[in-house]
Amino acid sequence: AQSVTQPDIHITVSEGASLELRCNYSYGATPYLFWYVQSPGQGLQLLLKYFSGDTLVQGIKGFEAEFKRSQSSFNLRKPSVHWSDAAEYFCAVGAPSNTGKLIFGQGTTLQVKP
Amino acid sequence: GAVVSQHPSWVICKSGTSVKIECRSLDFQATTMFWYRQFPKQSLMLMATSNEGSKATYEQGVEKDKFLINHASLTLSTLTVTSAHPEDSSFYICSAPGTGTAGANVLTFGAGSRLTVL
Repeated sequence: AQSVTQPDIHITVSEGASLELRCNYSYGATPYLFWYVQSPGQGLQLLLKYFSGDTLVQGIKGFEAEFKRSQSSFNLRKPSVHWSDAAEYFCAVGAPSNTGKLIFGQGTTLQVKP
Repeated sequence: GAVVSQHPSWVICKSGTSVKIECRSLDFQATTMFWYRQFPKQSLMLMATSNEGSKATYEQGVEKDKFLINHASLTLSTLTVTSAHPEDSSFYICSAPGTGTAGANVLTFGAGSRLTVL
């Protein structure tokens, strides 16, 4: 079955520290991969996406993610976290056939300590 | 960039009443829109796909008669929660797929509508 797992429900980091949010997927083929961020009461904003090519993708707000086929992972990283990064982060996968229907992980809540 | 507007952002209703949520693509046409439901502190679950000019496609386990979806035009999709009950309280989010080089998988999300049924 197709699924997305974000092992960490809640993560707390200090401002200025580095961040890594984990995402593992189960899919029949290499899917399209996404990271979205959701601030309280807001819709989702796309941080970055991977379709093909370079496995290290850069996104907005200084985020990057690395696709590792052998590990079925697409972890999100940021070298230095800012207080404004506190939010809910969702990893998602989509079919290469481009249906537009995404499967989301459970989400990781990021708390940033001053 | 593409903008999807959702209205209302927050609605409170009494049990047994119906509530309509609108989703509009402001600067582009969307022949397809997706409706997601999000429970507190949980992930988004796809409820249905609305298609302009034809019936919506519902995901397994979603009650078609409870959640009526209409895609009236190329810029408007509506979700009506009929005879709402407290268990229908949730955050409902619509989205529209991208076009061109962005691909249909790059979704633009509305800000969501929080429904509270008393």
